[in-house]
Amino acid sequence: AQSVTQLDSHVSVSEGTPVLLRCNYSSSYSPSLFWYVQHPNKGLQLLLKYTSAATLVKGINGFEAEFKKSETSFHLTKPSAHMSDAAEYFCVVSVSGSARQLTFGSGTQLTVLP
Amino acid sequence: EAGVAQSPRYKIIEKRQSVAFWCNPISGHATLYWYQQILGQGPKLLIQFQNNGVVDDSQLPKDRFSAERLKGVDSTLKIQPAKLEDSAVYLCASSPNRVQAFFGQGTRLTVV
Repeated sequence: AQSVTQLDSHVSVSEGTPVLLRCNYSSSYSPSLFWYVQHPNKGLQLLLKYTSAATLVKGINGFEAEFKKSETSFHLTKPSAHMSDAAEYFCVVSVSGSARQLTFGSGTQLTVLP
Repeated sequence: EAGVAQSPRYKIIEKRQSVAFWCNPISGHATLYWYQQILGQGPKLLIQFQNNGVVDDSQLPKDRFSAERLKGVDSTLKIQPAKLEDSAVYLCASSPNRVQAFFGQGTRLTVV
């Protein structure tokens, strides 16, 4: 079985300050991990993915995430928030197997204050 | 490259009515997923197809929900009869490798 827990349902930051969105996962096998972003009335967009290569993964729009197996974490960070980053962010886990499902976390709503 | 297409974008129906959603995945993607996203929650997998075969439908409420992908390309998801708690966004996604999924914009269903 696999699961993912997003530790904060809402995060507020000021524009120009760092962003940290926390994610912990549970998986019986080596996971693939993803972060998706969802802007209002828009589809889910992939920010970045970890698939057993480098543990520090760089994504689009200046986001990056670090896979830490010992902590079962995959936190998303960005050095400096922009107003356009305001959206819902989902951490997603997938493990190998015939089904290879994507299991989503409950989401973190990021608010960026001017 | 064209993305995943879904229609309609919005649908309002009365409870006990039926409704159908359509999805056209990215060309060549063998895997197709339907997710249900209730307001304030993360998407939940309803059904996963590999070509025209069902890989996983363990979370599909089969008494009222059905889905098909007859030719291994387009897919339809049907709800009959709808309940108030079916109000959600229904997301279709496709994948070439079952590692990375590409999502459509979804169909927002409101059941009144």
